[in-house]
Amino acid sequence: KAGVTQTPRYLIKTRGQQVTLSCSPISGHRSVSWYQQTPGQGLQFLFEYFSETQRNKGNFPGRFSGRQFSNSRSEMNVSTLELGDSALYLCASSSLPTGTNEQFFGPGTRLTVL
Amino acid sequence: KNEVEQSPQNLTAQEGEFITINCSYSVGISALHWLQQHPGGGIVSLFMLSSGKKKHGRLIATINIQEKHSSLHITASHPRDSAVYICAVGLGADGLTFGKGTHLIIQP
Repeated sequence: KAGVTQTPRYLIKTRGQQVTLSCSPISGHRSVSWYQQTPGQGLQFLFEYFSETQRNKGNFPGRFSGRQFSNSRSEMNVSTLELGDSALYLCASSSLPTGTNEQFFGPGTRLTVL
Repeated sequence: KNEVEQSPQNLTAQEGEFITINCSYSVGISALHWLQQHPGGGIVSLFMLSSGKKKHGRLIATINIQEKHSSLHITASHPRDSAVYICAVGLGADGLTFGKGTHLIIQP
């Protein structure tokens, strides 16, 4: 079974631009969660999608958004990029909603904002 | 909001030593996860616990729900165990809350 894939793996953007990251979950998994990891804040929950519906969202500004498609692939978008958005963005998939189910993580997308 | 504390933050040990990493949280949870992250960023889920104890190879995880505390043990540690170990807790429909991680180095 193929693992969770994320594209692109590395991305460099400038302040004010927007970016879209993609996550393909393990086949059959309907839950996709997104996380941001920075040296200062560590890992933080962004949002979770299950069967195309956003189930919950972390404490991030509205510039961070996401969606999930009918094939469970998910995208997250960050608009009006700021320097502080530089981070490793990880997605994870599971067969059932997060919290009480094992999650399988992708390799991450490393975003650098200049 | 759940607060998750891990200790120690950094740990250096010799190959073969018994390792213990601790995790405490402030609010009741549905499940606790132990994750391993190697340099380069990839994260692997080691355990998911809601009660008791789980064992996988040289790794053992325990949780005490009443005391809101979990431990991750590594027996016969090896240099390949060097990584960051992260504790995360979840409650119902809420997203996971993570600890800051424990940086473990096992020297040959």
